Amino acid sequence: AQSVTQLDSQVPVFEEAPVELRCNYSSSVSVYLFWYVQYPNQGLQLLLKYLSGSTLVKGINGFEAEFNKSQTSFHLRKPSVHISDTAEYFCAVTPNTGFQKLVFGTGTRLLVSP
Amino acid sequence: GAVVSQHPSRVICKSGTSVKIECRSLDFQATTMFWYRQFPKKSLMLMATSNEGSKATYEQGVEKDKFLINHASLTLSTLTVTSAHPEDSSFYICSARDPNRVSSYNEQFFGPGTRLTVL
Repeated sequence: AQSVTQLDSQVPVFEEAPVELRCNYSSSVSVYLFWYVQYPNQGLQLLLKYLSGSTLVKGINGFEAEFNKSQTSFHLRKPSVHISDTAEYFCAVTPNTGFQKLVFGTGTRLLVSP
Repeated sequence: GAVVSQHPSRVICKSGTSVKIECRSLDFQATTMFWYRQFPKKSLMLMATSNEGSKATYEQGVEKDKFLINHASLTLSTLTVTSAHPEDSSFYICSARDPNRVSSYNEQFFGPGTRLTVL
């Protein structure tokens, strides 16, 4: 079974500052990793995903994440945030074999203030 | 491509009534759809996996008779909350997998969600 830990429930940051949202996972098998963003009262939008290859993954809206297998982490980063980045961010994993269900973390609320 | 819609986006109903929520894949055929429930400030909880033409697979703790799922076609899955009660109030989100998109293996495309409020 897989599990995902997002230790920070909320991350406040000022506009144009850098941000890192942490994600750690646990799995006995190799996994695919995802970051999703959810704006209020909306569904989830895929930010980026790691399937294989380069451990540094670039996504939409200037976000990137780095897969670290030894530390079982997949932290999300952005060098300069905007007010519009205020949202809930979810990390998710799924085994890389067959059609398996996604396991989500508890989410991190990013609050960007002027 | 890979657009998933949900209808309605918001519904308010009286306690004891049944509510049907639709999930449609608009530009692809989805053999598998998923239904999630999201409580306020909480993560998504997978309720069930819906496979076209067969019975849904429910997660542990989810009442099959309470949350009826039907996946009658390759583009439509429905979730019916039967005899709804206030504790069923939640945000319900569906997702669909496009088996023909090899580059997005295992990727799920999410609908915009349905806010259910039971009075």
